[in-house]
Amino acid sequence: EIVLTQSPGTLSLSPGERATLSCRTSQSISSDYLAWYQRKPGLAPRLIIFGASSRASGIPDRFSGSGSGTDFTLTINRLEPEDFAVYFCQQYGSSPLYIFGQGTKLEIK
Amino acid sequence: QVQLQESGPGLLKPSGTLSLTCAVSGDSISSSYWWNWVRQPPGKGLEWIGEIYHTGSTNYNPSFKSRVTISVDKSKNQFSLKLTSVTAADTAVYYCARDGNTVIQAVYAFDIWGQGTMVTVSS
Repeated sequence: EIVLTQSPGTLSLSPGERATLSCRTSQSISSDYLAWYQRKPGLAPRLIIFGASSRASGIPDRFSGSGSGTDFTLTINRLEPEDFAVYFCQQYGSSPLYIFGQGTKLEIK
Repeated sequence: QVQLQESGPGLLKPSGTLSLTCAVSGDSISSSYWWNWVRQPPGKGLEWIGEIYHTGSTNYNPSFKSRVTISVDKSKNQFSLKLTSVTAADTAVYYCARDGNTVIQAVYAFDIWGQGTMVTVSS
C-alpha cells in the first residue's frame, strides 16, 4: 500500500507570507492522481487541487500545486486569514483506491 | 448547488452495526458519479471506506471488505453505509463525498463533501 507523508506536521506563518506544504508518496504515482484538500473545523472538506496542479472550481490563484513522481507541493502565496486550516493530500489508483496523507496544520503565527 | 448531508446514530455499542445515510440534494444520485464514504478517527488521518455507483456497483477498501456494505436508494436520492461488528476503533467522523470524475474531466478526487457526522462506539 502506498503511503503519503506530509510535512511539516504544523506550519506557523503570518498573513501575507507564503506557505509551502509537502506530500511525498512511498511509490511513484501519476500526477493525474494527486489531489489536495482544505479542511476547517465544522466545515466540509474542500477540494483545492486535483491532477497535482489544476485548481478546483472557485479556488483563488494564490493556491498552486506542483510536483511529480513521489514529491508534490502545495503552495499558498500571500496567505489570507481564511487560508489557515488543515491541508491534506490524497492519491488515487492503488489499493485501496483512495489514500490520504495525515495532514498539515497551517496556523497563524 | 450540490450538497451532501450525513445522518445516523451518534452512539453505538461495541459489536453493533453502524448505519449512516447520505442525502444528496441539487443533483440526482443517478448522475454519472461515484458516491463515497470516508472516515477520520480522532487524531488519525482520513480513511476511504468505499464507493457506489447508481447501478449498485461498489468498490471497497480491503480493510473493511468483510464488514462493510454500501447501498443506494434512488427513490430517496441517497446512499447508505453499514458497518458491522463495530469496535472502539470505528469511532470516527464519517463523511460522504462525491468523486468528481466525469466524462468531460478526470478529477480522481472528491469535489463535494458532507460536513461529517461523529460516531462514537462505546459501551
